[in-house]
Amino acid sequence: NAGVMQNPRHLVRRRGQEARLRCSPMKGHSHVYWYRQLPEEGLKFMVYLQKENIIDESGMPKERFSAEFPKEGPSILRIQQVVRGDSAAYFCASSPQQGRDTEAFFGQGTRLTVV
Amino acid sequence: DQQVKQNSPSLSVQEGRISILNCDYTNSMFDYFLWYKKYPAEGPTFLISISSIKDKNEDGRFTVFLNKSAKHLSLHIVPSQPGDSAVYFCAASLLLQGAQKLVFGQGTRLTINP
Repeated sequence: NAGVMQNPRHLVRRRGQEARLRCSPMKGHSHVYWYRQLPEEGLKFMVYLQKENIIDESGMPKERFSAEFPKEGPSILRIQQVVRGDSAAYFCASSPQQGRDTEAFFGQGTRLTVV
Repeated sequence: DQQVKQNSPSLSVQEGRISILNCDYTNSMFDYFLWYKKYPAEGPTFLISISSIKDKNEDGRFTVFLNKSAKHLSLHIVPSQPGDSAVYFCAASLLLQGAQKLVFGQGTRLTINP
């Protein structure tokens, strides 16, 4: 029973490059959430997706960031033209279809470093 | 606008004693609360939760208390063990289109001293 899988675990990008972070939810989970943790801070909600739909992207920066969860394949968080301030740990979580009273399961995260 | 606050960034407790971690929230629409534990370089792992219709939930050494009138919850760990040393995040949940959206506190780093 594989958990939430994120890759890569570590990603180094130069300023101006693109970063692609992947998340495969747990088997049977159709809800995916992305969170960002800046150094010495808690996890901040970014976006909530179901298959082929963005449900809530209120935590996503308006520019350069996008997310998708296609019918087939993993969820992708894409950051274009990265800047130093994007350096953080990005966590993906998934939950079953009926989310109430069930905890979200987190992946191990992708640590993005922008140099 | 920090809707969930953990005012103690760190806490140090002697092994065998009780650890008490606190969390305050501001949004009365939250109806479900969770505690997550996080080790360095790993993702958060679920620890214990409580529905807003209850005031206490216990699971082994871990107990969560909820005071709705004060918008306050706490996690008690007794007896504390060295393996409990980690960062603990409090989270509050809103039901959004059939699934929960979590709002996290900043975390409290718990250190258990042998």
